[in-house]
Amino acid sequence: IAGITQAPTSQILAAGRRMTLRCTQDMRHNAMYWYRQDLGLGLRLIHYSNTAGTTGKGEVPDGYSVSRANTDDFPLTLASAVPSQTSVYFCASSEGASGANVLTFGAGSRLTVL
Amino acid sequence: GQNIDQPTEMTATEGAIVQINCTYQTSGFNGLFWYQQHAGEAPTFLSYNVLDGLEEKGRFSSFLSRSKGYSYLLLKELQMKDSASYLCVSEDSSYKLIFGSGTRLLVRP
Repeated sequence: IAGITQAPTSQILAAGRRMTLRCTQDMRHNAMYWYRQDLGLGLRLIHYSNTAGTTGKGEVPDGYSVSRANTDDFPLTLASAVPSQTSVYFCASSEGASGANVLTFGAGSRLTVL
Repeated sequence: GQNIDQPTEMTATEGAIVQINCTYQTSGFNGLFWYQQHAGEAPTFLSYNVLDGLEEKGRFSSFLSRSKGYSYLLLKELQMKDSASYLCVSEDSSYKLIFGSGTRLLVRP
């Protein structure tokens, strides 16, 4: 592993189903983030974690939950998927949530909810 | 309020110079990033400006004017591989990032 690994790469999901997107980093970064990217919109922050054991809500948290049990892993769960959650999801990490906070992104997970 | 404006699309010719502009309205502005994102791939970091002026990094340069709420990314000696989206991202005083919707640059031969 080098950087950030996301899984799955893509998934088609029936509405109402539960889905967890996985994210693992090997850079020992303190902060991790989940963004969604939709056509014509900027990346929008769903949830974040400044350090292991803590999480916070971003701009569009409804319908999503996260956990940060350790430094490396930051899974994103959709408890009951809806079509509006069709999007490309990017996990990202940074050394810390401070100035010049350069993000390293995973390759993304394309989710389609039918 | 928090807002980022950048053109949706631009076209330029291989070997030329292109300037991608960005204006921002950010409460408690701290700094400004530019990221590059090729189609179907992850964004990658290009530059970060916190002080006024021009930062040069090879073929890419980024400029910031804090008083005008304005930045630009300058790409010189354009190559076909520079065809990508360029994301302008402001950082506020609580280190929250606000992403623009991106400028899709098409480099033609």
